[in-house]
Amino acid sequence: AQSVTQPDIHITVSEGASLELRCNYSYGATPYLFWYVQSPGQGLQLLLKYFSGDTLVQGIKGFEAEFKRSQSSFNLRKPSVHWSDAAEYFCAVGASYGGSQGNLIFGKGTKLSVKP
Amino acid sequence: EPEVTQTPSHQVTQMGQEVILRCVPISNHLYFYWYRQILGQKVEFLVSFYNNEISEKSEIFDDQFSVERPDGSNFTLKIRSTKLEDSAMYFCASHPDRNTEAFFGQGTRLTVV
Repeated sequence: AQSVTQPDIHITVSEGASLELRCNYSYGATPYLFWYVQSPGQGLQLLLKYFSGDTLVQGIKGFEAEFKRSQSSFNLRKPSVHWSDAAEYFCAVGASYGGSQGNLIFGKGTKLSVKP
Repeated sequence: EPEVTQTPSHQVTQMGQEVILRCVPISNHLYFYWYRQILGQKVEFLVSFYNNEISEKSEIFDDQFSVERPDGSNFTLKIRSTKLEDSAMYFCASHPDRNTEAFFGQGTRLTVV
């Protein structure tokens, strides 16, 4: 069955430090991968997506993610975290055939706290 | 920038009552979805809707749930007889074609008391 694992429930980093949020997926075909961010009381905002092509994808707010098929991973990175990045981050996988890209399986999320 | 709009932002209802959650997807979008997020848990897919019919639904989406696109702009989720465990944030999402990402609304927080 398809699944997404985000092994870190909560991460705290200092402002200005680098960040990596881990995501592993289980999917039989070529995955479409997404990272969404959810600020408290807000909806889900797309940070970036991977459909095909270059395995290093750039997103909004200075985030990037790298698709590694051999490791079934799609980790999210940012070189320098800002206090406004404090939020919950969700990795998701979508169907690559048959269905449309909105039918997503989400991970449980990683809550990011930023220390001044 | 166009966005998916959900109303109300918060709804409180008594157990056993019917509730309708409303969504206005982005105007040129063709694929519509409902997701829910129980407090502290992950976002879960409920149902997808395309071409005026349900294209896929999860185990959560039982006979108590229904969706409708009553006109050219609204997309609703009805829960026929709410239970306490239906308390969650419900997200509507849409996208224009199969190979684009979904845009999510701000959510409706449903509290069943």
